[in-house]
Amino acid sequence: GAGVSQTPSNKVTEKGKYVELRCDPISGHTALYWYRQSLGQGPEFLIYFQGTGAADDSGLPNDRFFAVRPEGSVSTLKIQRTERGDSAVYLCASSFLRQGKKGEQYFGPGTRLTVT
Amino acid sequence: AQTVTQSQPEMSVQEAETVTLSCTYDTSESNYYLFWYKQPPSRQMILVIRQEAYKQQNATENRFSVNFQKAAKSFSLKISDSQLGDTAMYFCAFGGDQKLVFGQGTRLTINP
Repeated sequence: GAGVSQTPSNKVTEKGKYVELRCDPISGHTALYWYRQSLGQGPEFLIYFQGTGAADDSGLPNDRFFAVRPEGSVSTLKIQRTERGDSAVYLCASSFLRQGKKGEQYFGPGTRLTVT
Repeated sequence: AQTVTQSQPEMSVQEAETVTLSCTYDTSESNYYLFWYKQPPSRQMILVIRQEAYKQQNATENRFSVNFQKAAKSFSLKISDSQLGDTAMYFCAFGGDQKLVFGQGTRLTINP
């Protein structure tokens, strides 16, 4: 079956602009996660959805970042008034929380965001 | 808060050799999971192996195995008979139902 997909693969934007990054999870996966990976670092947690609701958004760096998952499947990460420090790879992951597979997250290929 | 530490920024071995990547973590939780992910230049994070904290038996997946020492909070990855395709960044991660906490990664190069 299809894995997690993310669009666009790469996004270049100017400082101050608004961007949207999209994630399509594996079909049937109830949980969806966003992470940010800066160059040379491990991924850092941003936000986690269980169904349609954000169960934990403690990793969002500030109020310029927002994410939605209106129908419990596709999610969009939205960044307002982008700054050069937002440049990173944004990774999406999904998981199906059932016994034996609990905690196992499957990642998409990421969106590389460059803010000029 | 959980932390994950990978003390080896880079490692390099010859093809067919065995290599061990180190990982230590800190947590006050008793029920959790540990993972090793591989990230090749394509940047796709690929799950290599997972370990449940309540299981004493070390997980194995073909050429990949772990040495899980719960009391020491250590979780190392052993790659046997290394192959050129194993060249990648390797991340150790701590997790449960929710977020994963990743280490800084180890860049592994397999030389022909």
